[in-house]
Amino acid sequence: EDKVVQSPLSLVVHEGDTVTLNCSYEVTNFRSLLWYKQEKKAPTFLFMLTSSGIEKKSGRLSSILDKKELFSILNITATQTGDSAVYLCAVPNNNDMRFGAGTRLTVKP
Amino acid sequence: GAGVSQSPSNKVTEKGKDVELRCDPISGHTALYWYRQSLGQGLEFLIYFQGNSAPDKSGLPSDRFSAERTGGSVSTLTIQRTQQEDSAVYLCASSPAQRRSTDTQYFGPGTRLTVL
Repeated sequence: EDKVVQSPLSLVVHEGDTVTLNCSYEVTNFRSLLWYKQEKKAPTFLFMLTSSGIEKKSGRLSSILDKKELFSILNITATQTGDSAVYLCAVPNNNDMRFGAGTRLTVKP
Repeated sequence: GAGVSQSPSNKVTEKGKDVELRCDPISGHTALYWYRQSLGQGLEFLIYFQGNSAPDKSGLPSDRFSAERTGGSVSTLTIQRTQQEDSAVYLCASSPAQRRSTDTQYFGPGTRLTVL
């Protein structure tokens, strides 16, 4: 059965800390992995990863994919309180977009 | 508008009543998805529309749930005889992709449904 597992489920840090969020997957016919940030209700697209070893960056956020070990990490450096959110990992399979349960990140001042 | 919009933003209903949730996708996006997110859970796929093709309804949890997409644009998700376990945030997403597996989906703000 296709599945996406994220860890940790929750994380509390202080401003300025660096965090690493993990996403492992088992999906047939893998094509891409997506990261979303969810504040309140709607997830916002962050990254799409399709190739191993190529880091994608956007400001303080970066992500990389390892297709051999079937996982991805999302890094956030110099965290700010505005980074507090649920971070979702998603992998499309043949029938739908399979989402992980998310990592709830809380950044304290 | 520039993004996906949903209405209402919040809906409180009594058990047994029917509800309709609306989604306006980004103009020109051919694909539209409905998801459900229960408290503390990940996103659960409900239904997928792609252009004029027959929708993929494989994620609908029961026959009380139905959805339609008129004119290839606006979609309505209907829940009949609501139950308390239907309480969740219902998210709609649209995508310009013709192929599902390469989608980048853009989400609406969601509708928070509470069934008393």
